[in-house]
Amino acid sequence: TQLLEQSPQFLSIQEGENLTVYCNSSSVFSSLQWYRQEPGEGPVLLVTVVTGGEVKKLKRLTFQFGDARKDSSLHITAAQPGDTGLYLCAGRGETSGSRLTFGEGTQLTVNP
Amino acid sequence: EAQVTQNPRYLITVTGKKLTVTCSQNMNHEYMSWYRQDPGLGLRQIYYSMNVEVTDKGDVPEGYKVSRKEKRNFPLILESPSPNQTSLYFCASSFRSGGAQSYEQYFGPGTRLTVT
Repeated sequence: TQLLEQSPQFLSIQEGENLTVYCNSSSVFSSLQWYRQEPGEGPVLLVTVVTGGEVKKLKRLTFQFGDARKDSSLHITAAQPGDTGLYLCAGRGETSGSRLTFGEGTQLTVNP
Repeated sequence: EAQVTQNPRYLITVTGKKLTVTCSQNMNHEYMSWYRQDPGLGLRQIYYSMNVEVTDKGDVPEGYKVSRKEKRNFPLILESPSPNQTSLYFCASSFRSGGAQSYEQYFGPGTRLTVT
């Protein structure tokens, strides 16, 4: 079973601060996705990265896939209260077809 | 509107009373999955289906059954629920995008199940 470890598990910051969330594994993934989940709802896909070293930007969010495709990071610039939520990374193994392995998640709280 | 729907959204039941949680998607996706989400354990896959009549076990299949008789529906069946199946359940459907590299997954709103 491939494991994905996210850190930190909890993060509470003030509006305007920057933050980075990490997703690490000892396994290689053919693709990695980041989801955001709000209370009472299902996770919503933010981005998919597939190439080692790939960087994708979504407004104030920057996603990076490690060169070896074993890790990823999510950086938020100038966080806002609307960014509050549970951030989940999910990886697809090279031989796992459509199956995804999820990290435990990072609960982000941005205080006004 | 493209969506994944689950019913019921909330369910309280007793040990041993068979129940079914329905899942339906209107996006003509081939792949569907069931997950459970528990504090400190994240999302764990219960079962998945790659197409009609094709299902396979995920990471935590014990105590659950599924069927995929139609492309749009993927019900989750608990034949004899137990308290350790109290959890938040999500159905998801997906399609292959970007060539063979990624599967964009769409989640339903969740079903909160309590087994007493």
